[in-house]
Amino acid sequence: AQSVAQPEDQVNVAEGNPLTVKCTYSVSGNPYLFWYVQYPNRGLQFLLKYITGDNLVKGSYGFEAEFNKSQTSFHLKKPSALVSDSALYFCAVRDAENNDMRFGAGTRLTVKP
Amino acid sequence: ETGVTQSPTHLIKTRGQQVTLRCSSQSGHNTVSWYQQALGQGPQFIFQYYREEENGRGNFPPRFSGLQFPNYSSELNVNALELDDSALYLCASSLETATYEQYFGPGTRLTVT
Repeated sequence: AQSVAQPEDQVNVAEGNPLTVKCTYSVSGNPYLFWYVQYPNRGLQFLLKYITGDNLVKGSYGFEAEFNKSQTSFHLKKPSALVSDSALYFCAVRDAENNDMRFGAGTRLTVKP
Repeated sequence: ETGVTQSPTHLIKTRGQQVTLRCSSQSGHNTVSWYQQALGQGPQFIFQYYREEENGRGNFPPRFSGLQFPNYSSELNVNALELDDSALYLCASSLETATYEQYFGPGTRLTVT
């Protein structure tokens, strides 16, 4: 079965510094990978996806993610963090057999001024 | 363009009761997926509806059922509520089942006492 893991419950960075939120995946076949962000009392917002093609995927709000097949990772990155980036981030993988989106447990990102 | 809306925002029910949650898809979207997000966890896939038919189901018992209407709005019904059903229920719409971008509503917070 497809799955993703987010090894860090919490990531803290200073404003202006680069940020990385980690995700590893386990899939059979080609992975369809996603990042979503959730702000308090709101639903999830789509950030970016990897289906095929370039390993570096660019998404919304200046975020990007690097697909690494050998390390089975799909880490979310941003060159310069903003305080407003503070939120809960979810990595997800799509299971094409069941039209099922499998989410990780989430990583809480806190950007301090 | 209207986004995904859900009603009600909050709901309190007693164990053993039944509940109906509602979702209106983003304009033009014909696919709706429902997720359960327990506190501190990632969303878990309940099922997906495409053109009024169930099109995939996660590991949830039959007391979780759904409907999709001709206008692509959707309902999630839960019978015989249990305390563990307390969660945020998220609805997500997409254009066709093979589209990888899902647009989430703000969710319905269900509390079972």
